[in-house]
Amino acid sequence: NAGVTQTPKFQVLKTGQSMTLQCAQDMNHEYMSWYRQDPGMGLRLIHYSVGAGITDQGEVPNGYNVSRSTTEDFPLRLLSAAPSQTSVYFCASSYSGQPNSPLHFGNGTRLTVT
Amino acid sequence: AQTVTQSQPEMSVQEAETVTLSCTYDTSENNYYLFWYKQPPSRQMILVIRQEAYKQQNATENRFSVNFQKAAKSFSLKISDSQLGDTAMYFCAFMKQPPYSGGGADGLTFGKGTHLIIQP
Repeated sequence: NAGVTQTPKFQVLKTGQSMTLQCAQDMNHEYMSWYRQDPGMGLRLIHYSVGAGITDQGEVPNGYNVSRSTTEDFPLRLLSAAPSQTSVYFCASSYSGQPNSPLHFGNGTRLTVT
Repeated sequence: AQTVTQSQPEMSVQEAETVTLSCTYDTSENNYYLFWYKQPPSRQMILVIRQEAYKQQNATENRFSVNFQKAAKSFSLKISDSQLGDTAMYFCAFMKQPPYSGGGADGLTFGKGTHLIIQP
């Protein structure tokens, strides 16, 4: 059982470049989300989705786009990367998104923007 | 909005000792959940323990237990008989109960973490 799969594991971008971080889950979870983790900080919610076709903003959405065309996939797009977006990005999913439904995390993508 | 505060950036104890990690939070919500997550050097986020605010009984999971003081908004994690594999970052997190209002109000709110080192 693969769980939550994130690709790539590492990425280096130049300022202004665009890229998509991929996230896929094989647990038929309705809820998926993206967090970023900066040094000395806990994780902060970027965007989330409660089902295919439905997305909403989290705490720090600026500079990021998401879409949810299938239940399995929830890609995170950086349209014009900035050094402030250097971070570790985590995708997480759960059955319902409610607190009694445990979140399953991917292994993270370390992104560096120069 | 809610905030979660972990006042101990780093702690170090000897193997087999008991250690307590502190967490306080601030919220106007009455119904919510609290969590402790472990992040070892592998970077994987692992759920350690969960507490429902409406339950007075403190949650336990094997060597891990919490001291939940709702009035004081305190949620500490106790690790008994600590092991080398417990070395990790530990994050306290808050999540409110539905219904959710959207617009950034949902999801987990994390503290900044405590780096726990278990010495042999």
